[in-house]
Amino acid sequence: NAGVMQNPRHLVRRRGQEARLRCSPMKGHSHVYWYRQLPEEGLKFMVYLQKENIIDESGMPKERFSAEFPKEGPSILRIQQVVRGDSAAYFCASSQVADRSPLHFGNGTRLTVT
Amino acid sequence: AQTVTQSQPEMSVQEAETVTLSCTYDTSENNYYLFWYKQPPSRQMILVIRQEAYKQQNATENRFSVNFQKAAKSFSLKISDSQLGDTAMYFCAFMATNNNAGNMLTFGGGTRLMVKP
Repeated sequence: NAGVMQNPRHLVRRRGQEARLRCSPMKGHSHVYWYRQLPEEGLKFMVYLQKENIIDESGMPKERFSAEFPKEGPSILRIQQVVRGDSAAYFCASSQVADRSPLHFGNGTRLTVT
Repeated sequence: AQTVTQSQPEMSVQEAETVTLSCTYDTSENNYYLFWYKQPPSRQMILVIRQEAYKQQNATENRFSVNFQKAAKSFSLKISDSQLGDTAMYFCAFMATNNNAGNMLTFGGGTRLMVKP
């Protein structure tokens, strides 16, 4: 049973470009969570999605950031017009239901903005 | 909102010895879950141990055990017989139960553990 798959593993973008980060949850999981980890810091919650619904986006910056989890396909975290401060590791986690079980994390995407 | 605090940015321990990592949290809830995750240089997030707040017995997982003090809102991790492979960042995390946030975790800032040969 494949774990949470994130791609790309590394992504380099110039200031002003768009970044698209993909997350395929574990098989059978319909709940996805995105986290951001700045260098030498802990993981900060960004957004919680179920299929076709955003449940909690309280951690998402109000501008330039968006997330979706369509009925078919992976969850996408999109960052428009990236700035140097967006450089971080972005992690995706998934769960089968909201059952308080431990989250299963992907290996993250390291975004570098030059 | 919950907060999780790890007051030790870095720690080191000799191989085969025991080390304890501290974690405190703030919440007004009575039921919740606490976790310790390990993040080695590969960046993978690995679950180490889980504690349910309604259970008085401290969780153990092989060489890893916790000291859960609910009244003090303290959740420390003890690593016995430390091994070189234990070198990693360790994150304490909190999961609320009576909200609509699913399995969302709130993380502490982490403790970098170095196991020395």
